[in-house]
Amino acid sequence: NSKVIQTPRYLVKGQGQKAKMRCIPEKGHPVVFWYQQNKNNEFKFLINFQNQEVLQQIDMTEKRFSAECPSNSPCSLEIQSSEAGDSALYLCASSLSGSQNTLYFGAGTRLSVL
Amino acid sequence: QQKVQQSPESLIVPEGAMTSLNCTFSDSASQYFAWYRQHSGKAPKALMSIFSNGEKEEGRFTIHLNKASLHFSLHIRDSQPSDSALYLCAVTVGDNSKLIWGLGTSLVVNP
Repeated sequence: NSKVIQTPRYLVKGQGQKAKMRCIPEKGHPVVFWYQQNKNNEFKFLINFQNQEVLQQIDMTEKRFSAECPSNSPCSLEIQSSEAGDSALYLCASSLSGSQNTLYFGAGTRLSVL
Repeated sequence: QQKVQQSPESLIVPEGAMTSLNCTFSDSASQYFAWYRQHSGKAPKALMSIFSNGEKEEGRFTIHLNKASLHFSLHIRDSQPSDSALYLCAVTVGDNSKLIWGLGTSLVVNP
């Protein structure tokens, strides 16, 4: 079973509302990724962290999405003003050392924007 | 734009069959190649990965990589109903700090 814990499992928001989801990475994993998996199974990279620092993020993230991975607290991904197109499964993964290493995924937060 | 394409999109095989899944990539400088499996409603889970040309076997699963032809594949020997899942391939691109993913092959193994 995955040791990456994501909460909540399901999130329902109206358009324009904030949506926040959390992730506890596997213990000892310094690298955390957030992905968006849409209904066509497309994996879209959003952002990744090493310890508390942002390594990479996409343009979309810079506009309405924000994320952080504070020390001794869960990582979080927040959508400031949800849009219908944000409806997707948001997956958090952690890794020992980045993209060239096994990613351990959580079960995801399924966001529905009505 | 870097691309990873998987084929077939979906596949139905009988129990006990050999299943072959394919992945092609566009970046000849890619260094890391991985297969993940996602059962319905569950977290994606790593199956196998490979760095260099050739073949790697773990149990019923074998991965082949041919960098010259920009192709790698996953073969499942003696497919089981529990293998029914979405299979995703992933490849590092650019400076190999970023993973890009295929859209997956949906596999159904009929008992």
